[in-house]
Amino acid sequence: DVKVTQSSRYLVKRTGEKVFLECVQDMDHENMFWYRQDPGLGLRLIYFSYDVKMKEKGDIPEGYSVSREKKERFSLILESASTNQTSMYLCASSSPQGRKGYTFGSGTRLTVV
Amino acid sequence: AQSVTQLDSQVPVFEEAPVELRCNYSSSVSVYLFWYVQYPNQGLQLLLKYLSGSTLVKGINGFEAEFNKSQTSFHLRKPSVHISDTAEYFCAVSPFSGGYQKVTFGTGTKLQVIP
Repeated sequence: DVKVTQSSRYLVKRTGEKVFLECVQDMDHENMFWYRQDPGLGLRLIYFSYDVKMKEKGDIPEGYSVSREKKERFSLILESASTNQTSMYLCASSSPQGRKGYTFGSGTRLTVV
Repeated sequence: AQSVTQLDSQVPVFEEAPVELRCNYSSSVSVYLFWYVQYPNQGLQLLLKYLSGSTLVKGINGFEAEFNKSQTSFHLRKPSVHISDTAEYFCAVSPFSGGYQKVTFGTGTKLQVIP
């Protein structure tokens, strides 16, 4: 069964901490994505990557960075966590043109206190 | 650029009744269309997709959707819902052309199945 695995289901962090969210896929997909999901706002794209060491800003990149050193792993970094970054974070992957749709991880619910 | 509108944020329906979840989109180019389902505290799962060909597509769990190009709609239907269908449903579109194309998601419709 193919999978996208997010390392944590729930995280609680303090304001100002540096936070790492990890995502690993086993489908050999070129594309990987980070979204945040908030009630009433749907899914908003933070960053995506279409190849190793390549990254592109999405719609809401401020306060975030990403790293993709290996094809299967895509990390989201909150440089200095703030309370307005409390959210559900979803990682996804897809083949290059996305015709098969996305495969999502189970999500990480991050609370910043 | 494209946009997706899911007008209904919540849809309550009795068990074994039919349901339709509406999705309208706008795009200046041809698109792929998708429906995803999200069960509580989980990620999104692909329910079905329209790429080309027959405008009626069938997905998992007895769901189907019909692509209507003239009305730019892709409504999701199920003839008889079950309690286990309680979830949030997202419509998404992606323009098709070479290379990566950004997927745009709707804001979701929460389906509540009432026993």
